[in-house]
Formats: sequence, structure tokens, C-alpha cells
Amino acid sequence: DADVTQTPRNRITKTGKRIMLECSQTKGHDRMYWYRQDPGLGLRLIYYSFDVKDINKGEISDGYSVSRQAQAKFSLSLESAIPNQTALYFCATSEPTSGRKNEQFFGPGTRLTVL
Amino acid sequence: AQKITQTQPGMFVQEKEAVTLDCTYDTSDQSYGLFWYKQPSSGEMIFLIYQGSYDEQNATEGRYSLNFQKARKSANLVISASQLGDSAMYFCAMRDFNSGNTPLVFGKGTRLSVIA
Repeated sequence: DADVTQTPRNRITKTGKRIMLECSQTKGHDRMYWYRQDPGLGLRLIYYSFDVKDINKGEISDGYSVSRQAQAKFSLSLESAIPNQTALYFCATSEPTSGRKNEQFFGPGTRLTVL
Repeated sequence: AQKITQTQPGMFVQEKEAVTLDCTYDTSDQSYGLFWYKQPSSGEMIFLIYQGSYDEQNATEGRYSLNFQKARKSANLVISASQLGDSAMYFCAMRDFNSGNTPLVFGKGTRLSVIA
């Protein structure tokens, strides 16, 4: 079984709709992240959480919100989706340590299309 | 603030040849980590190799090695004996350790195509 799972894997929605992307992990990591990937732009950080009570904005948080329901669950919401939020979204987790163990483990991604 | 620059949007390499993917970074921290990830066409992010700023030796993982030049702030990925399965996007990323253990910052990536 995958350590980091994302649901749904693919979603097509319409402008103005509310969308929630969910992420669950079984790695026992405290730290969780949401990134979006656009062609030619790499991965950009949307939000991150270092524990259940900690939420931080990333580089591109406008138009998004998150909820850390438990250590293992971190959800990303688009309150009113717009076409330029069409992208591949990744959830990731990591341990709160330095060095090699600070590697981020990624989910399989959610491909979101906003029409 | 940290910044990663990958100047090669696309690269071609002949099968069995070696290839170097460039990565330069900028940070004011003295303690940081550099990472390379591979993204095949299926989309998943696969960790390849890690280099710590205080590591004295260049990192190696099988056919992957990291040419770390601290003074130049470069962390180039070298893939030896390229295989068709190496065709993918490759991302360089970094994290500062002194500044509160920040999330990974990624470059824009390099698309590598291996030619038979």
C-alpha cells in the first residue's frame, strides 16, 4: 500500500465550484505539504503544516485553504475554482529532522481541470 | 530566500552515454540540503539523491552522482550510462536547515530525453 495517498486522482470541475483534495499518509510524519505543478514552472508550495495545530502559507496560497484534520490527514480546498487553478497537485510529507531524512515523500498527484 | 535555477529546459543524450543536468542555488544559510527528484511520464515524484552542505564527499546512488561545488553554489546531477527509462523530468530542490527547516524549494526542471 502507498504511504501517501491522494484522492481523487483526477477531477474535472467547473468555474466557481468548491473542490476539496484530500491527502492521507501512513508514514507517521508530522510535516505535510501541498504543491502545485504547472508546465515549465516546477513545483510551487501552496501550504504546509508542521503539526496538527500549525498551518503556514506557501508561495502561492491565494485562492486556496487547507485543513489538518489529524496527523495523517491534510486537505486542500479551492473555495471557488477558476481555470488557472488547472494543474497537477501533490501532497508530500517529511520528518522534522535535518539531513537525508528530511526527504519529502510525495503522493501520486491529483490532476485537476477547471473548465 | 532560497532559489533554485535549472537553466536547461530540455536535454538529449544517447543511450549508454553520461549526461549532466545543471542546478545552481542561492541561500544565505550555511546548513542546507540539496535533493534531486525524477518525474517520469506517469507523474510520480521519485527521490534520487541527497547532498548535505557539510558533506565532504559528493553523493552517489548507483548511476546517479551529485557534483557538488559549494563555492559556486552548484549541485549538478550526473547520470552515467543513460538508459531509455531515464527519460523524464528532473527537478533540483533545496531546503535550509537553520531557518526553521523550511519546505523544499524546487527548480523549474529539466526534461531529459534518452535516444536509442
